[in-house]
Amino acid sequence: DAKTTQPPSMDCAEGRAANLPCNHSTISGNEYVYWYRQIHSQGPQYIIHGLKNNETNEMASLIITEDRKSSTLILPHATLRDTAVYYCIVLHINDYKLSFGAGTTVTVRA
Amino acid sequence: EPEVTQTPSHQVTQMGQEVILRCVPISNHLYFYWYRQILGQKVEFLVSFYNNEISEKSEIFDDQFSVERPDGSNFTLKIRSTKLEDSAMYFCASSEERGQDYGYTFGSGTRLTVV
Repeated sequence: DAKTTQPPSMDCAEGRAANLPCNHSTISGNEYVYWYRQIHSQGPQYIIHGLKNNETNEMASLIITEDRKSSTLILPHATLRDTAVYYCIVLHINDYKLSFGAGTTVTVRA
Repeated sequence: EPEVTQTPSHQVTQMGQEVILRCVPISNHLYFYWYRQILGQKVEFLVSFYNNEISEKSEIFDDQFSVERPDGSNFTLKIRSTKLEDSAMYFCASSEERGQDYGYTFGSGTRLTVV
């Protein structure tokens, strides 16, 4: 019952922007898009979330397409410490169980 | 920055023994959760807890599991009689509110090894 599709892996050069895509073509109007990451078996770390507007915080930017069927997480200046598995999660407004998929393994290379 | 604290970081136990995993959520948070991750697999939801009772649990969370908030600060997960397949990382999480305007803060986990 996967609600999101992410590429299994991607590489990024240190200092460059990392753009992580996520497809969620069946998303409903009451569902948010959340991004978490997990660095080497540590606990998942919240990054950002959004409903329909683009969002930015100190960690990343979230760009959601107008039809809300896909989104992109942008890490503006990737560092080696950003190497992690990144999870895109769709969460209904009345739900709170995070359903983690396989995510995207991002490797930042020097 | 406030954090969720889990102890111990690593627990080894014999099959059939009871284990208690401990968590100290962020102090003003009201919702508490346990997740687990078997090595090499996805992070899975176990249970959520609010107002001193379970609000939702997954099919993984069977009668061998229980949770409680014994003293208003700790949040514990008990496995009554451990099995080999209970070996996993167990993550505690908390949130200020249930709902979509808040992210969840996870602890760094307890690695449970059942031998």
